[in-house]
Amino acid sequence: NAGVTQTPKFQVLKTGQSMTLQCAQDMNHEYMSWYRQDPGMGLRLIHYSVGAGITDQGEVPNGYNVSRSTTEDFPLRLLSAAPSQTSVYFCASRGQREADTQYFGPGTRLTVL
Amino acid sequence: GEDVEQSLFLSVREGDSSVINCTYTDSSSTYLYWYKQEPGAGLQLLTYIFSNMDMKQDQRLTVLLNKKDKHLSLRIADTQTGDSAIYFCAERPGGYSSASKIIFGSGTRLSIRP
Repeated sequence: NAGVTQTPKFQVLKTGQSMTLQCAQDMNHEYMSWYRQDPGMGLRLIHYSVGAGITDQGEVPNGYNVSRSTTEDFPLRLLSAAPSQTSVYFCASRGQREADTQYFGPGTRLTVL
Repeated sequence: GEDVEQSLFLSVREGDSSVINCTYTDSSSTYLYWYKQEPGAGLQLLTYIFSNMDMKQDQRLTVLLNKKDKHLSLRIADTQTGDSAIYFCAERPGGYSSASKIIFGSGTRLSIRP
């Protein structure tokens, strides 16, 4: 299993540009999440999904869209990038059982100029 | 509400024990976790404890949970240079609507002195 994969690893955008951060998992996990990590603030939940076709907002959803058309993929879209979205983004997935571990991808480092 | 707090820095001497503390606010939390993040890497789950337990030991790691005070700690025995990292405390709130949510603290950066 590849686990949770994210692309790209690094990205630089100009203010106002759009892009999609890709996340995929091959563990047949129902639950997937996107977090952003900023210095001194830990990880904050952006959006999450409890299964294909079902998404919900986390703590900091503004400026981001998600969709979950398949169990494997959970892309995160920035429609109009802003400098405040400069961060490291982590995708995570876990199974449905209570004790299932949450697995994290390696992260995407995004800089918005 | 849901909030997890931990101190930002901890420095210990190599070979000593490290104790990283965390407090959380959601009394309905089902699971509490400790994650480790090394520089430039993602988060790696170190250990977790179910809310009806008060202690869990796994090799050099001991987790203590005081549910009454909503206090969680991670003890690393015989701390080594390879333990240098940021350690995140996290909780999974109770309730179906929170099924996929895990709330993280801001992380404690552990540094090891020779």
